[in-house]
Amino acid sequence: EPEVTQTPSHQVTQMGQEVILRCVPISNHLYFYWYRQILGQKVEFLVSFYNNEISEKSEIFDDQFSVERPDGSNFTLKIRSTKLEDSAMYFCASSWGEQYFGPGTRLTVT
Amino acid sequence: EDQVTQSPEALRLQEGESSSLNCSYTVSGLRGLFWYRQDPGKGPEFLFTLYSAGEEKEKERLKATLTKKESFLHITAPKPEDSATYLCAVQARGNNRLAFGKGNQVVVIP
Repeated sequence: EPEVTQTPSHQVTQMGQEVILRCVPISNHLYFYWYRQILGQKVEFLVSFYNNEISEKSEIFDDQFSVERPDGSNFTLKIRSTKLEDSAMYFCASSWGEQYFGPGTRLTVT
Repeated sequence: EDQVTQSPEALRLQEGESSSLNCSYTVSGLRGLFWYRQDPGKGPEFLFTLYSAGEEKEKERLKATLTKKESFLHITAPKPEDSATYLCAVQARGNNRLAFGKGNQVVVIP
């Protein structure tokens, strides 16, 4: 069964460093998303991407964040200068109807 | 702003003891209501989509129902492997983003 994959599973970085989180969506899906979940809190929407451009973004998705689809299979989230409060699980999702989520990347900012 | 409230926050059940989880929502025009299952440290796993009041969906021991203001996830004769956090999310018309509730944490004791 096709699934969304994410790498790495865990990323530790120092405050102020740039990180890139990677996702491979399900191959025939056209919509791609990033969500995050701070420990013990709700899953929160960050951004959606369709037809090579951002279609929606939340207030959380400020200038520190960017997304890219560098080739036909990968979808990336870049955080330019990480802060302590960026520590969370980051989930990629893709859809052609229902949204299917990947296993997540646990980002720890020290 | 779309809002989702789930109750109870946590529930302990004896194996075989049926129960219901509640998801109350406010949304500016419902496009769909989604139920996901989330195991600790994992991504949300899609269960059901409901689109209109009166709709019901079933999968094994789970049954989801929808009214104009809330949805219920009924767990019939649960087994320990049904232990998880169940997430409810809504999608408004014209948007692709999902707005999640905090979840119902269910523990089924053998």
